[in-house]
Amino acid sequence: GAVVSQHPSRVICKSGTSVKIECRSLDFQATTMFWYRQFPKQSLMLMATSNEGSKATYEQGVEKDKFLINHASLTLSTLTVTSAHPEDSSFYICSARRGAGIYEQYFGPGTRLTVT
Amino acid sequence: RKEVEQDPGPFNVPEGATVAFNCTYSNSASQSFFWYRQDCRKEPKLLMSVYSSGNEDGRFTAQLNRASQYISLLIRDSKLSDSATYLCVVNLNTGFQKLVFGTGTRLLVSP
Repeated sequence: GAVVSQHPSRVICKSGTSVKIECRSLDFQATTMFWYRQFPKQSLMLMATSNEGSKATYEQGVEKDKFLINHASLTLSTLTVTSAHPEDSSFYICSARRGAGIYEQYFGPGTRLTVT
Repeated sequence: RKEVEQDPGPFNVPEGATVAFNCTYSNSASQSFFWYRQDCRKEPKLLMSVYSSGNEDGRFTAQLNRASQYISLLIRDSKLSDSATYLCVVNLNTGFQKLVFGTGTRLLVSP
């Protein structure tokens, strides 16, 4: 099946610093990439949707200036958490869609962010 | 009201048992439905799609009732390896396809 990677898998940073998470589709070109966040015992919540070469569409309540998304190519999207705070500690998961169909959406292994 | 609701569990069952999970969704315009499996600290993985006529994949049977906006997953002959969180997922096709996840139902299968 299609493979999506994320890097890093785990990161610990100090409050006030910025953290960049990379998401790559390894064996296909992703027309659309998604970023989700999951707090303990909660569901995955979509943060934003991005298409290559265009600005990301953020979900209501997600600060676009805090969570910067760059979808520079059909195989790479990055999420930068700026001025991270402890409440940003979460499991961040990216997903890449290969085609137009909902059935072709593949998830990365996730990045666990801990802000101290 | 949450868009997708599930009983969080946990459901504790012995090996070999049959267990059923339910899910309700609030948006009647939802077009497609899925069950995902998520292991602890891992990404979700597609278990199966859910079709209106009901569908089966080995020990797993999924059913959809559009009138009641209700989805179910039945697992027969539970295995230890079935222990995981099962996520009910709905596709909201509001001009753009978007997956909405339930909080998941945790299953623990014991020897």
